[in-house]
Amino acid sequence: IAGITQAPTSQILAAGRRMTLRCTQDMRHNAMYWYRQDLGLGLRLIHYSNTAGTTGKGEVPDGYSVSRANTDDFPLTLASAVPSQTSVYFCASSPGTGHTGELFFGEGSRLTVL
Amino acid sequence: GQNIDQPTEMTATEGAIVQINCTYQTSGFNGLFWYQQHAGEAPTFLSYNVLDGLEEKGRFSSFLSRSKGYSYLLLKELQMKDSASYLCAVRDSNYQLIWGAGTKLIIKP
Repeated sequence: IAGITQAPTSQILAAGRRMTLRCTQDMRHNAMYWYRQDLGLGLRLIHYSNTAGTTGKGEVPDGYSVSRANTDDFPLTLASAVPSQTSVYFCASSPGTGHTGELFFGEGSRLTVL
Repeated sequence: GQNIDQPTEMTATEGAIVQINCTYQTSGFNGLFWYQQHAGEAPTFLSYNVLDGLEEKGRFSSFLSRSKGYSYLLLKELQMKDSASYLCAVRDSNYQLIWGAGTKLIIKP
């Protein structure tokens, strides 16, 4: 089934540990995004990539890094996790850049930092 | 600052009609989106408005008034499966999406 795959689905992590959330899409979309969703808040953009080889910072980039080595993969890394990074993380993609058109979301990765 | 306001929670009856409002104050406007998100699942696209007026898609319709900074999502013939959160998002002049916190819709039999 075409779409976006995220892994892991959920993870409990000790503070200070490094963690990479994986995201793969098979729709050949140009743009990819990482959002975090917290109770009572709207989705907040962490990082984005308009095309392979380029990345940009979103609204809340601190403590996170991304890479876009190819069209399909867009991993999100927490270098040293802190409890405030406890959240549900969604990867998304869109055919065009600049949030053009609808976003297609992965099923999310629930991360708990203790 | 940029802001999207929508009610936190609404309750409606199966078979009825419900209107979910969204007001926005953003740096420019390049379209408004509605997404549906069932509990524990990913958001899925419902509708897109860029011009004033009503867009109808089956049981769901979305309305936009750019001069008022206002949109609503209208759901007709409510079904139990419509129980979900409904997210309003506005694309600003920099083509960034600003998201509301979502409206949790509870459908009662």
